[in-house]
Parts: sequence; structure tokens; C-alpha cells
Amino acid sequence: GAVVSQHPSRVICKSGTSVKIECRSLDFQATTMFWYRQFPKQSLMLMATSNEGSKATYEQGVEKDKFLINHASLTLSTLTVTSAHPEDSSFYICSASYQPNQPQHFGDGTRLSIL
Amino acid sequence: AQSVTQPDIHITVSEGASLELRCNYSYGATPYLFWYVQSPGQGLQLLLKYFSGDTLVQGIKGFEAEFKRSQSSFNLRKPSVHWSDAAEYFCAVATRSGGGADGLTFGKGTHLIIQP
Repeated sequence: GAVVSQHPSRVICKSGTSVKIECRSLDFQATTMFWYRQFPKQSLMLMATSNEGSKATYEQGVEKDKFLINHASLTLSTLTVTSAHPEDSSFYICSASYQPNQPQHFGDGTRLSIL
Repeated sequence: AQSVTQPDIHITVSEGASLELRCNYSYGATPYLFWYVQSPGQGLQLLLKYFSGDTLVQGIKGFEAEFKRSQSSFNLRKPSVHWSDAAEYFCAVATRSGGGADGLTFGKGTHLIIQP
């Protein structure tokens, strides 16, 4: 079945650091990938839709300059948290679907902790 | 805009007992509905989906769900739970296509605890 790989699984870094998270579709091509954020014991909230070869679409309230998304190929989308601060600490999860009319498959998530 | 409500934050069930997790959605048209399961510190695994047709859908791990349009519900059931079913369960809705074209709207999740 469809597999989505996310890397790294955990990041701990100092405030002010920029952190890059990768999301790969391993056995299919994904023109669209999604980035979600999950706070402890809460639900997933869609942050942005990553579109291969074009700009990402951000949800209301998500700072596009803080959360940079690049979808340079059909199998890779990256989320860069720029100048991260403790309030950016969260669990970030990506997803992709091998066809628009098929369900999304999720990566294992990245736990980001900013000290 | 669409929304999803999972009224039960926690549910405790004895191993071997039956399970029903509730999910209600709000959307003007027929939605695409999903149930995902999340183990601690992990991503989400798709249990089952409803797109159209038979309102009772079967999924993996012995789960099933029934779509009831009149009640705007999509409850998840399992006849006999196993200790390995302990996890967080999320109901989600998509409004376009089969869920792959737009971001999903999730409920807040139900934490399932299995008693020995």
C-alpha cells in the first residue's frame, strides 16, 4: 500500500534555529501533500497544502514566512520552521494521496521541541 | 464550513467487549468520511472510509462503521476489542473527491483504553 515517510522523527533544538522536515511518498507520486500540526492531546489541524511545482496554499492563521513549504518533486515536500521558538514546539505530520479521489496516507510525524 | 464532533474524549472498554465510537459531522452535502487510528507518537493509519454506496463499511483490524445520513453520524464499531486496540481514534471528513484533493477536517479524537 501507499507509504509516506517523514524525517526526522524527533528534533530538539535551540530557539532561533531553523528546522527542516521532509515528507516523502515512497511508492507513488504525489502532486499534492498536506502538512498538519497536532498539539498534545488535541486533534490535527491542517496547516497548508503543498503543490508540486507551485506555491503552497496556507490555512488562515498560518504564517507562510514562518512555515516555508517546498514541493520540488513528485515524491518530496519539505516544511521548514524558520527561526523556531518554543511556541512552535508541536507534532508535525504530513500526508499524501496517490490520487485525488483516494484517501490520504500519513507519515509517522515529527516531534519538534524548541528549547 | 464542515466540522466533526467526537463527543467522547475517553472510553474504557474491557478486553473482549464490544466497542462503539461516536462521530457526528456537519456538512451541507454528502461528505467523504474516514476513521483513522493513532498510536502514541505515531502517524495515522486509515481504518476505513465511506465514499458512497453501502452505508455499512468494513475496514481493517475487524472494524466497521455505519453512515447514517439522517443522524449525520459515522460511528465506528468493533464486536470484540483486543488490548492492541488501545489508541487514539480520529474521525475525519473531506468535502471534495475522495479525500486526496483537500486537507481533512478532524474531530478531536477519542482515547480508547482497554481494561484486562
